[in-house]
Amino acid sequence: EDQVTQSPEALRLQEGESSSLNCSYTVSGLRGLFWYRQDPGKGPEFLFTLYSAGEEKEKERLKATLTKKESFLHITAPKPEDSATYLCAVQAGGSYIPTFGRGTSLIVHP
Amino acid sequence: NAGVTQTPKFRVLKTGQSMTLLCAQDMNHEYMYWYRQDPGMGLRLIHYSVGEGTTAKGEVPDGYNVSRLKKQNFLLGLESAAPSQTSVYFCASSRPTTEVAKNIQYFGAGTRLSVL
Repeated sequence: EDQVTQSPEALRLQEGESSSLNCSYTVSGLRGLFWYRQDPGKGPEFLFTLYSAGEEKEKERLKATLTKKESFLHITAPKPEDSATYLCAVQAGGSYIPTFGRGTSLIVHP
Repeated sequence: NAGVTQTPKFRVLKTGQSMTLLCAQDMNHEYMYWYRQDPGMGLRLIHYSVGEGTTAKGEVPDGYNVSRLKKQNFLLGLESAAPSQTSVYFCASSRPTTEVAKNIQYFGAGTRLSVL
């Protein structure tokens, strides 16, 4: 059974304090790993897709990386507007149905 | 660009009542999904559809039924609501492709359901 585990469950940072969110996975035949951002009261929105170990993607203060067992979402010098829940999802094998982790709730204090 | 639209946005039901949640997408996507999201539990897949006229069970299907009579619409039904079904429900759609980078899910804004 495919498993996706995100840590920590919650993270509080001061503005400018860089940190990383983790998404570890146990799947057979990774097809792709996806990061989504979810603001309170809204649906998740796509951030990145990664599909091979060593790959990196960047967007503003966010950088996602991928290894054979996990992905990191690095947040550099975060701002309060980066506060959100970050979800990780994987597609594996012959299925296009993703498996989601439980998410990391990030709060950035000014 | 409407994307994925869910109706209603909020609903309060009494135990035993029934209701239907509607999801509509205008992106001509083949796949559609219904999730529920509860505190600390992440997104859990209820049912999904890989094309018009098809449905399949997800992780937590009990107490729900779905129909996909038209490609653009995916309906989620609660025949006899229970307090355990109090949750936020999200619909999503996607177009499966061998290009992994394009296998993105697009989500609606959610329906907040309370069952008393």
